[in-house]
Amino acid sequence: GENVEQHPSTLSVQEGDSAVIKCTYSDSASNYFPWYKQELGKRPQLIIDIRSNVGEKKDQRIAVTLNKTAKHFSLHITETQPEDSAVYFCAVSKAGFQKLVFGTGTRLLVSP
Amino acid sequence: GAGVSQSPSNKVTEKGKDVELRCDPISGHTALYWYRQSLGQGLEFLIYFQGNSAPDKSGLPSDRFSAERTGGSVSTLTIQRTQQEDSAVYLCASSPSLGLQYFGAGTRLSVL
Repeated sequence: GENVEQHPSTLSVQEGDSAVIKCTYSDSASNYFPWYKQELGKRPQLIIDIRSNVGEKKDQRIAVTLNKTAKHFSLHITETQPEDSAVYFCAVSKAGFQKLVFGTGTRLLVSP
Repeated sequence: GAGVSQSPSNKVTEKGKDVELRCDPISGHTALYWYRQSLGQGLEFLIYFQGNSAPDKSGLPSDRFSAERTGGSVSTLTIQRTQQEDSAVYLCASSPSLGLQYFGAGTRLSVL
């Protein structure tokens, strides 16, 4: 089955710096790649997603890039703010209403 | 509009007891998923329902776990003869379209 690896497990940055989180996957048939943000005790919230026919997608300070050949995708957060502090999960799924396979999460801490 | 609703928000039970967890998906969403999140871990797929198709039960960890979805809407996850290792947050998600999943706040299950 699909295997998703996520790095780093923790990331500490200063406010205003950029943060990059990377995920690799194993199944070349995977074609949907969302990122979720989970604050302590809260539900996972979708922050951005990308499909396999697109190489990059941007939404304000957040961007996701996808390299299908290498089977990896990354989350980029620019101009980080303390409220960006949370656990971020990548996930992958295949065509149709398929289950999401999640990475193990990255705890991002943005210090003022 | 209303999001995915789960009840109860917290459940404490004794080892060996049965528990039922409920999920009300967003109205009109045809797909419904259950995931489990152990403390400090990622999300583990359990089961998903899509319309009238047979559910994908490939993630259920043992035959003590079962789920049903009545009338294409509300779903109940049942854990029989609970064990301490069942303690986790059980998250439900629903989806209106390919891939996109919206999560509920979860049920925190504690088995004493």
